[in-house]
Amino acid sequence: GQQLNQSPQSMFIQEGEDVSMNCTSSSIFNTWLWYKQDPGEGPVLLIALYKAGELTSNGRLTAQFGITRKDSFLNISASIPSDVGIYFCAGRSGGTSYGKLTFGQGTILTVHP
Amino acid sequence: GAGVSQSPSNKVTEKGKDVELRCDPISGHTALYWYRQSLGQGLEFLIYFQGNSAPDKSGLPSDRFSAERTGGSVSTLTIQRTQQEDSAVYLCASSPRTALGVGYTFGSGTRLTVV
Repeated sequence: GQQLNQSPQSMFIQEGEDVSMNCTSSSIFNTWLWYKQDPGEGPVLLIALYKAGELTSNGRLTAQFGITRKDSFLNISASIPSDVGIYFCAGRSGGTSYGKLTFGQGTILTVHP
Repeated sequence: GAGVSQSPSNKVTEKGKDVELRCDPISGHTALYWYRQSLGQGLEFLIYFQGNSAPDKSGLPSDRFSAERTGGSVSTLTIQRTQQEDSAVYLCASSPRTALGVGYTFGSGTRLTVV
């Protein structure tokens, strides 16, 4: 089945630093999504990308949908302590499985004040 | 309610027992999804319901797992004869439709521990 490889698995950074994480896929997705999960909570949608090459920002977050439709990255600028959490990429393909998302393994982000 | 509600939030059960996990989606959301999150892993798709269509059960790992959605609203995920490898956080999500551009809203999950 479809798989998403997300990297890095974990990051330890200083407050104020920029962060970059990415996902690659063995198959094409029509939509890329980035989620953040806080401890004891469900993931919350950060950014959604719908077209190959699309670059979208949400505050300090910027994400891009790769031209090949098999990859995406997420950047966080000027990190702050509340950025701590697990970040997941997710892809959605078309057809009969349209509602189903395939998730990456997650990137655990730790921000030192 | 305002969000997706899951109960119980934590469940400890003995190996071999059956468990039921409940999900109350956001009112009016026609699509409902179950995912499983094992320690240190990403989210694994289990099943999804869309309106009155037949559910997509392709992610259920074995015939011990089943799910129902009654009246197009509340859903119950049942695990029969639980095994230790079933220990995980079970997350439910809903969305108003499966059309382009609509992300899920997740519940906080049920943490299942099989001892």
